[in-house]
Amino acid sequence: GESVGLHLPTLSVQEGDNSIINCAYSNSASDYFIWYKQESGKGPQFIIDIRSNMDKRQGQRVTVLLNKTVKHLSLQIAATQPGDSAVYFCAEKRPSNQFYFGTGTSLTVIP
Amino acid sequence: EAGVAQSPRYKIIEKRQSVAFWCNPISGHATLYWYQQILGQGPKLLIQFQNNGVVDDSQLPKDRFSAERLKGVDSTLKIQPAKLEDSAVYLCASSPRREGGEQFFGPGTRLTVL
Repeated sequence: GESVGLHLPTLSVQEGDNSIINCAYSNSASDYFIWYKQESGKGPQFIIDIRSNMDKRQGQRVTVLLNKTVKHLSLQIAATQPGDSAVYFCAEKRPSNQFYFGTGTSLTVIP
Repeated sequence: EAGVAQSPRYKIIEKRQSVAFWCNPISGHATLYWYQQILGQGPKLLIQFQNNGVVDDSQLPKDRFSAERLKGVDSTLKIQPAKLEDSAVYLCASSPRREGGEQFFGPGTRLTVL
């Protein structure tokens, strides 16, 4: 069935290193994608988004890459900090305008 | 700017009891969402409102779940009767646009059904 999923459920990185979190999506008609960060006990927080007519978008210390050919999305965090430790979700907007979230990747930053 | 408010933050009930959650979105946001987030999973959309009308409720278990947004502002989500598998965090989000875009989430209500 169609799904939004993440390749790795957990990721540990050293402080200062770059982090890459991956996401696979199944619906080729999805036209908008968002990365969210969720800290324990809080709701998801918007990080960065990208539309399907783009393949790369940069924000402050974060970059999202979209490869529509293989239906893959990635989030790159530069110079990862302890405050980046959280669960990261990708979400896709399908033609129905519904957002589908992946399972999430837990990022742990080691000081 | 105040964020999305939800109450209560925590609720513990026994199965077959009823429970209601309240959400106050960001002022001026026309679109409101209710999500269910089971531990270890991503949020799952239950229902989407545009002002006081339902846009999508295809994933809402309508035999036990109901939601309303009577005046196009606040919203309530009710479960009656609750089952053990309803234990989850219920998240409310709002967005200024109907067609998608950034959603602003509240802190959620953690429901435990015993």
